[in-house]
This record gives sequence, structure tokens and C-alpha cells, in this order.
Amino acid sequence: AQSVSQHNHHVILSEAASLELGCNYSYGGTVNLFWYVQYPGQHLQLLLKYFSGDPLVKGIKGFEAEFIKSKFSFNLRKPSVQWSDTAEYFCAVNGGGATNKLIFGTGTLLAVQP
Amino acid sequence: GAVVSQHPSWVICKSGTSVKIECRSLDFQATTMFWYRQFPKQSLMLMATSNEGSKATYEQGVEKDKFLINHASLTLSTLTVTSAHPEDSSFYICSAETPGIPPQHFGDGTRLSIL
Repeated sequence: AQSVSQHNHHVILSEAASLELGCNYSYGGTVNLFWYVQYPGQHLQLLLKYFSGDPLVKGIKGFEAEFIKSKFSFNLRKPSVQWSDTAEYFCAVNGGGATNKLIFGTGTLLAVQP
Repeated sequence: GAVVSQHPSWVICKSGTSVKIECRSLDFQATTMFWYRQFPKQSLMLMATSNEGSKATYEQGVEKDKFLINHASLTLSTLTVTSAHPEDSSFYICSAETPGIPPQHFGDGTRLSIL
């Protein structure tokens, strides 16, 4: 069965620090990969996605993620975080099949201190 | 962008009652909608995939007689928690997808509290 693992449950950074959130998945076939963000009191929003092509994908708000197939990883990065990046971040994967159902990681709560 | 509306946002009710949650795609048609459940400090767990005009597909361990799903139109899916009990208290989230075009777009969620 597919599973998604996010190693960092809670991250605290100061503004301007660099961010990297880990995400590993277990699935042997073709996958679509996603990072979603949930700001306090809001719904989940898509940050970026990978379907195929360039393994380095750029998303909104300066975020990027790199798909490394050999490591089954899709880590999220941002060179310089802002206070407004405080949110919960979820990595998700689907197998690209007919159902399109998403499997989510447990989420990482990021707190950025001004 | 694609908007998914979920209603109500919060409901409190007595044990034994049934609760209906609506999920609407406001500006696109969604042949497929998804229902998730999220426990505190845990991830979203897919409960079922709702298909317009056909029966929902439930994930393993989800009671289909407990969580009734109806997807009668291309813009509306409903989840009814029947005879709700305190252990059903949770955060329920729906999502919808333009046919064949990911990603999924999420509603704001419904916080269900059963007393």
C-alpha cells in the first residue's frame, strides 16, 4: 500500500532562515506528488505539484520541491522564510491511476518567528 | 480558481442524531469528489471516493452504512453521518477535481462534535 512519511512534525524557524521539509513515499509505480499548505483557519491550498518532466518544480510564494526518484523523496524548500509562511504543510501522493485518490503525510507544522 | 464550498463549517449535535454535510464545486463540474477525515494532530485519511451517478467507493475500514454518500449532481456531494456517536467527532473535509485534471481542490472542512 502507498504511504507518505513526513519526518518533521514541528519546525520553528526565524525569519530569513532557509527551510527544507522532508517527504518520502512508498510506491513502486508512476506517481504524482503534491505539497499542500493550510494556513491557520483556512482550507488546504496547493503549493506545487509534480507529474513528470523537470524534477525541480517551482510553486507559489517562492517554494520549490525536488523529486528524487531513487530516494522516493519530494522535499519542499524555500531559501528564506517569512512570518506569513507559518502554516501546516502536507505532502501527498497519488498513483496516477484512475481513482486519483490522495495519500497524505502526517503534516509538518511550521512556525516562523519574526 | 476552482472553489469548493463545504457546509456547515461546524456542527454540534446529540448522540444518536444524523448529520448531513454538503460539498459543492462552485465554478466547475466534478464527476469525482473525495471525503476525508482528520483527527487532531493527524493526517487526512481518505474515507471514500464519491462518483456522480454511481455508488461511492469506500476505503477499507470505513462503514458505508454509517457514512452515507450521495453524489446526485456534478456539483454536489453529501456525506451523512448516521446515528452519530462521540467517537465520530472529527474534522471532515471534502475535495473535488475537474475530471482527469488534478489537483484536487479542498473545502474548508466541517468540524463535527457529538455530545
